[in-house]
Amino acid sequence: DGGITQSPKYLFRKEGQNVTLSCEQNLNHDAMYWYRQDPGQGLRLIYYSQIVNDFQKGDIAEGYSVSREKKESFPLTVTSAQKNPTAFYLCASGAGTASYEQYFGPGTRLTVT
Amino acid sequence: GQNIDQPTEMTATEGAIVQINCTYQTSGFNGLFWYQQHAGEAPTFLSYNVLDGLEEKGRFSSFLSRSKGYSYLLLKELQMKDSASYLCAVGGGATNKLIFGTGTLLAVQP
Repeated sequence: DGGITQSPKYLFRKEGQNVTLSCEQNLNHDAMYWYRQDPGQGLRLIYYSQIVNDFQKGDIAEGYSVSREKKESFPLTVTSAQKNPTAFYLCASGAGTASYEQYFGPGTRLTVT
Repeated sequence: GQNIDQPTEMTATEGAIVQINCTYQTSGFNGLFWYQQHAGEAPTFLSYNVLDGLEEKGRFSSFLSRSKGYSYLLLKELQMKDSASYLCAVGGGATNKLIFGTGTLLAVQP
């Protein structure tokens, strides 16, 4: 089946540790996105990539890093510099310049204590 | 600036009709999307409007007025499973980014 996978569903880390969230898609989409969702707030864009080996900062990129070495994969690293990392993280992909529609993965709930 | 407004919460009765409004002010416009999100799950696509008017898809319909910066999502014959957050999002600019509203949490009561 085509789709987007994120793993793990739940992730727990100690403060001060970096953690990498995985996102893989087999939809052959050029564009991929990372969002953060906090209770009572909408989706906020962290980073996005429109093509392999290229990515841009979104609205809240501080404390995060990404890579796009393969079309299918767009991992997000939450670094120790992110002051409030506990959140629900959603990865999405889209066809890119041809379409604004985005398809979402199941999300990873990160808890940092 | 970019701004999307929608009500925070709404309550409706099973079997009834509910309308969720969304107003937007964005620097560009390439269509308006509605997504449904159940708690703890991923948003799923409901509808897309790029031209003015009403798009109907089963129990769900979505309306757009570009001149007014306004859209609504209409849900008919409400079912308990329709209890979820409904996210309004606008495609803007040349970088295929979606700008999301904060979502409307709909509670369907028996």
